[in-house]
Amino acid sequence: EPEVTQTPSHQVTQMGQEVILRCVPISNHLYFYWYRQILGQKVEFLVSFYNNEISEKSEIFDDQFSVERPDGSNFTLKIRSTKLEDSAMYFCASSDSLAGGATDTQYFGPGTRLTVL
Amino acid sequence: QKEVEQNSGPLSVPEGAIASLNCTYSDRGSQSFFWYRQYSGKSPELIMFIYSNGDKEDGRFTAQLNKASQYVSLLIRDSQPSDSATYLCAVRGAGNNRKLIWGLGTSLAVNP
Repeated sequence: EPEVTQTPSHQVTQMGQEVILRCVPISNHLYFYWYRQILGQKVEFLVSFYNNEISEKSEIFDDQFSVERPDGSNFTLKIRSTKLEDSAMYFCASSDSLAGGATDTQYFGPGTRLTVL
Repeated sequence: QKEVEQNSGPLSVPEGAIASLNCTYSDRGSQSFFWYRQYSGKSPELIMFIYSNGDKEDGRFTAQLNKASQYVSLLIRDSQPSDSATYLCAVRGAGNNRKLIWGLGTSLAVNP
């Protein structure tokens, strides 16, 4: 069964450093997403991406964040200068619905645990 | 601020019983509703979704939606110890908005 994959599973970085989190969405999916979950808190939407551009972003997704689809399979999230409060699980998701309607379902990767020291 | 609320639990049920999980949402224009299961330290795993009022059944799971009351529930029949997890309710808003708004989740413990 096709699945979303993410690398690395765990990333430790120093405050102020740049990190790139990588995702390979399900191959025939067209919409890609990043969410994060701080320990003990709700899952939070960061950004959605379609047709090589951002379709929606949250207030969390400020200038420190960027996304890219560098080739036909990878989807990346870059944090330019990490802060302590960026420590969280970051989940990539993808969906295949062009209709954009009620039936669009998002499938999640296993996540990357980001620890900022 | 659009909100999704769930009772955090823990909800404890004996093996074989029916577990009932509830979720309310604030955005009356919300169009579809998702239940995900999350084991500790893992990612959300889709169980099922619903977008029409009424019941939708999938195996041991039944989702129920009442848009007038802004309420969605998940019933798990014949609960198994392997069902022990946190159940997350996620809601998609109106129109072309695809982002999911999440509840904090309800922790379910199924006791053998």
